Amino acid sequence: GQQLNQSPQSMFIQEGEDVSMNCTSSSIFNTWLWYKQEPGEGPVLLIALYKAGELTSNGRLTAQFGITRKDSFLNISASIPSDVGIYFCAGRTAGSARQLTFGSGTQLTVLP
Amino acid sequence: DAGVIQSPRHEVTEMGQEVTLRCKPISGHDYLFWYRQTMMRGLELLIYFNNNVPIDDSGMPEDRFSAKMPNASFSTLKIQPSEPRDSAVYFCASRFSGGNTGELFFGEGSRLTVL
Repeated sequence: GQQLNQSPQSMFIQEGEDVSMNCTSSSIFNTWLWYKQEPGEGPVLLIALYKAGELTSNGRLTAQFGITRKDSFLNISASIPSDVGIYFCAGRTAGSARQLTFGSGTQLTVLP
Repeated sequence: DAGVIQSPRHEVTEMGQEVTLRCKPISGHDYLFWYRQTMMRGLELLIYFNNNVPIDDSGMPEDRFSAKMPNASFSTLKIQPSEPRDSAVYFCASRFSGGNTGELFFGEGSRLTVL
């Protein structure tokens, strides 16, 4: 089946620093999504990408759909304490009957 | 607008007991998904429904697990009998299939602990 490799697994950064995380796949995806999960909550959609090369921003978050359609990255600029959480990438292939494959998540800790 | 609503938020039970988790999807959404999340395995898709019909239950771990969707606004995930290894957070999610933005919306989850 499809697999997503998400890295890094965890990050400890100082408040104000920029953050970058990425996902790679063995399959070609036609949709890439980035979710954030806070403790005790369900994942919340941050950014959705639908076209190769697409670059989309949501406030301090920027995500890109890789040209090869096998990767995506998420950047967070000027991190703040409320950015703490687990960030998941997810992808969907054309023939996946609308199922998403999730990455294993990146645990982000922001130190004051 | 109300999001996906799950109940209970927390459940502690003893091994062998029956557990029923409930989900109300977002009104108008035609897909409903049940996921399980653990530290070891991350987010695993258990089963999903389209228009109340189960489409793929290949992720259901064993016959002890069953899911139903009797109508468009309600689904249950049942574990009978429960075992300690079933301890996890169970998420329900829904989506609308129309348009580009038909992405998954998750509930807050049901944290299950089986002693």
